[in-house]
Amino acid sequence: DAGITQSPRHKVTETGTPVTLRCHQTENHRYMYWYRQDPGHGLRLIHYSYGVKDTDKGEVSDGYSVSRSKTEDFLLTLESATSSQTSVYFCAISENPGQTYEQYFGPGTRLTVT
Amino acid sequence: GEDVEQSLFLSVREGDSSVINCTYTDSSSTYLYWYKQEPGAGLQLLTYIFSNMDMKQDQRLTVLLNKKDKHLSLRIADTQTGDSAIYFCAENRDDKIIFGKGTRLHILP
Repeated sequence: DAGITQSPRHKVTETGTPVTLRCHQTENHRYMYWYRQDPGHGLRLIHYSYGVKDTDKGEVSDGYSVSRSKTEDFLLTLESATSSQTSVYFCAISENPGQTYEQYFGPGTRLTVT
Repeated sequence: GEDVEQSLFLSVREGDSSVINCTYTDSSSTYLYWYKQEPGAGLQLLTYIFSNMDMKQDQRLTVLLNKKDKHLSLRIADTQTGDSAIYFCAENRDDKIIFGKGTRLHILP
């Protein structure tokens, strides 16, 4: 299994509070991605990174920011959490999208915003 | 944006073949994928097919690609209880992978 960890694995927070989710990889892969998974919507891309300090928006980026100061860590921040951000969040990594584009996924973080 | 489409649910009797269908959108996609998600876990790549192929077989799995119709299918022969999962069709688009909503495969005894 690819070395990807996510922390925390579960979190319950109140509306309006800031939340940061961490993705950590030991594979030295260049690309990292944050997705959210919701019933009826499948996986939707929030943000992704193609290198240290290089990030770009996905299809559902509103209300989220990301940072990547090191190759191994990709942080997802909800500045002011809302109930609509209750979801399961998955991090993924990819070595080189120019090749097979295979992505390796972390175990997920279940976030509940009350 | 344009979606990758797949049916949401499939029920198959144990020992029969399962066929999961998908239509994708980007004719320039280089690779098309099938990912599997078991309960409580992340997605794992099951198989992929390069766009210049029309078929790929890997043990019990057969992937068929119809580029003209942008149609991708996954056939699982001799379906077993361990195949119960959500299966995601996906295509590459630029340096991202776009996923369908997933097909939940339910195995009947």
